[in-house]
Amino acid sequence: NAGVTQTPKFQVLKTGQSMTLQCAQDMNHEYMSWYRQDPGMGLRLIHYSVGAGITDQGEVPNGYNVSRSTTEDFPLRLLSAAPSQTSVYFCASSYSGQRGQPQHFGDGTRLSIL
Amino acid sequence: SQQGEEDPQALSIQEGENATMNCSYKTSINNLQWYRQNSGRGLVHLILIRSNEREKHSGRLRVTLDTSKKSSSLLITASRAADTASYFCALGGSNYKLTFGKGTLLTVNP
Repeated sequence: NAGVTQTPKFQVLKTGQSMTLQCAQDMNHEYMSWYRQDPGMGLRLIHYSVGAGITDQGEVPNGYNVSRSTTEDFPLRLLSAAPSQTSVYFCASSYSGQRGQPQHFGDGTRLSIL
Repeated sequence: SQQGEEDPQALSIQEGENATMNCSYKTSINNLQWYRQNSGRGLVHLILIRSNEREKHSGRLRVTLDTSKKSSSLLITASRAADTASYFCALGGSNYKLTFGKGTLLTVNP
């Protein structure tokens, strides 16, 4: 059972480039989310989804797009990369979006924007 | 949205000792969760305590919640070198979202 799989693990981009961070889970979880982790800032919620076809914004959504066409996949798109988006990105999933569900995390994508 | 504040920011102990870290918050919550993050890895869920619960145990972990003081504590008993990690509290409110604190870095020296 793979859990939550994120690809790539590392990526270097130039300012202005676009890219998609992939996230897939094989646990049939309804709820998926993206966080970024910066030194001294903890984890901040970017976007989340409570099921296929449903997405919503988190705390820091600007510069990012998401879609949820299947239960398994929740890609995060950087539209035009900026140095401020250098961070470690984590995808997480939980059984449902109901309150009080433990979240399962991937191992992250380390992204550097030059 | 509110963020939990962990205290201390860093903690260094000897193997076999107990480790206690705290999380304080400002508004009402539905549940509070604790996670561990090993260096270079994702977060791993440790324990969840609901607002109507006061204490929960899981193996060597003990979590307490005092909603009147808006605080929670995580106790790790008989620490091992493998417990070295960052520990985060996460606040669950009235919606789907979890809000994470900045974490406590625990170092257990052999």
